Amino acid sequence: FTLTQPHSVSGSPGKTVTISCTRNSGDIDTNQVQWYQQRPGTSPRLLIFDHNQRASGVPDRFSGTIDSSSNSASLTLSGLKTEDEGDYYCQSYDSSRIDWVFGGGTTLTVL
Amino acid sequence: EEQLLESGGGLVQRGGSRRLSCVVSGFTLSDFAMSWVRQAPGKGLEWVALISGSGGGAYYANSVGGRFTVSTDYSKNTLFLQMYILQTDDTALYYCARMAGFGSYRFESWGQGTQVIVSS
Repeated sequence: FTLTQPHSVSGSPGKTVTISCTRNSGDIDTNQVQWYQQRPGTSPRLLIFDHNQRASGVPDRFSGTIDSSSNSASLTLSGLKTEDEGDYYCQSYDSSRIDWVFGGGTTLTVL
Repeated sequence: EEQLLESGGGLVQRGGSRRLSCVVSGFTLSDFAMSWVRQAPGKGLEWVALISGSGGGAYYANSVGGRFTVSTDYSKNTLFLQMYILQTDDTALYYCARMAGFGSYRFESWGQGTQVIVSS
């Protein structure tokens, strides 16, 4: 299966943005979905695991959900800060192929 | 504090070989599965290979299967990725990543990456 993300999103400081991640086949809740943040020039960092659990040290401005009706996962960032700029990737696991699948990534710009 | 430090990247001719290393500290390597994930210039993340903890199995992405081999040396706290028959499409920043505990499928901590450039 593939995970499809919007190429880019933007928002103003203090506002809220949501990044979607749509699975094209199989149910989104079949395997856990994770989200990673990659600031420019840095390594990826785990933000959300198991659909909606925040990793250690991640502020509660970040939240994850899944929606079975749209077969998608979403990452919501509230109270946007300029430091949130970067790329965000969703990730899941394809048990039929033993393959760890990443979405194509979404670039967040805080205007 | 956990640290993962990759090395071994560089410029290599198409068809050549390269071995990447990832020295870890702050945790016991044999207790965790470890992965290699790569990122081509300006592109997204691609999982490459995983080796289970304590001498378990190894798994590979279709794009590298049969050409890459992942291994560990627990005495040196080091993860390796031996790459053969390199292609220009293998040009990427290669990260090692520690997986979360048994039965988990997330990449919990990452190194800073080592750059591999395959020239034609």
